Amino acid sequence: AQSVTQLGSHVSVSEGALVLLRCNYSSSVPPYLFWYVQYPNQGLQLLLKYTSAATLVKGINGFEAEFKKSETSFHLTKPSAHMSDAAEYFCAVSYGGATNKLIFGTGTLLAVQP
Amino acid sequence: NAGVTQTPKFQVLKTGQSMTLQCAQDMNHEYMSWYRQDPGMGLRLIHYSVGAGITDQGEVPNGYNVSRSTTEDFPLRLLSAAPSQTSVYFCASSYDGQGIMRPLHFGNGTRLTVT
Repeated sequence: AQSVTQLGSHVSVSEGALVLLRCNYSSSVPPYLFWYVQYPNQGLQLLLKYTSAATLVKGINGFEAEFKKSETSFHLTKPSAHMSDAAEYFCAVSYGGATNKLIFGTGTLLAVQP
Repeated sequence: NAGVTQTPKFQVLKTGQSMTLQCAQDMNHEYMSWYRQDPGMGLRLIHYSVGAGITDQGEVPNGYNVSRSTTEDFPLRLLSAAPSQTSVYFCASSYDGQGIMRPLHFGNGTRLTVT
């Protein structure tokens, strides 16, 4: 079955440090890949998406992700964490088609320490 | 432009009661879906619809019904609530991808507790 795995349910970084959130997908067919962010008591917001164009994708709030087919990975990074980045981050995968189904990972809660 | 609106924000039910979670979008999106979010499990797809009059099951459809009589509305019905349905429910919509993946727009969720 198609799936997506996020390593680390909780990640803590210091303000100004590199943020790295890991995501791996299971498929031999390159999927569409997404990162969403969820702030407390809110719905999910799209951070960025990969749709088979450039392998390095830039998103909002200084985040970016690199698609690596050889590693089946789509890790999310930000060079310098800000307190406002504290949130839960979800990786999601889709294989296209009219159904638009997204399969979500279990999420990574990012804490940013002052 | 309100986006995706979910009501109510909070709800407490007793086991066996029924209720409807409302979802409305004003973006003329063909695709609408319902997810439930549980700790450590991410979001799981309950039901989805690719247009008015068309619905289909997702990963966890048991105990839930949906209908899509208009483009704007996609209510989720709990037929006989069970404690296992305690969760946060999200409605999401997007343009019909026609094979191209479109990002989902999410509502702010309904927190449901079944006692």
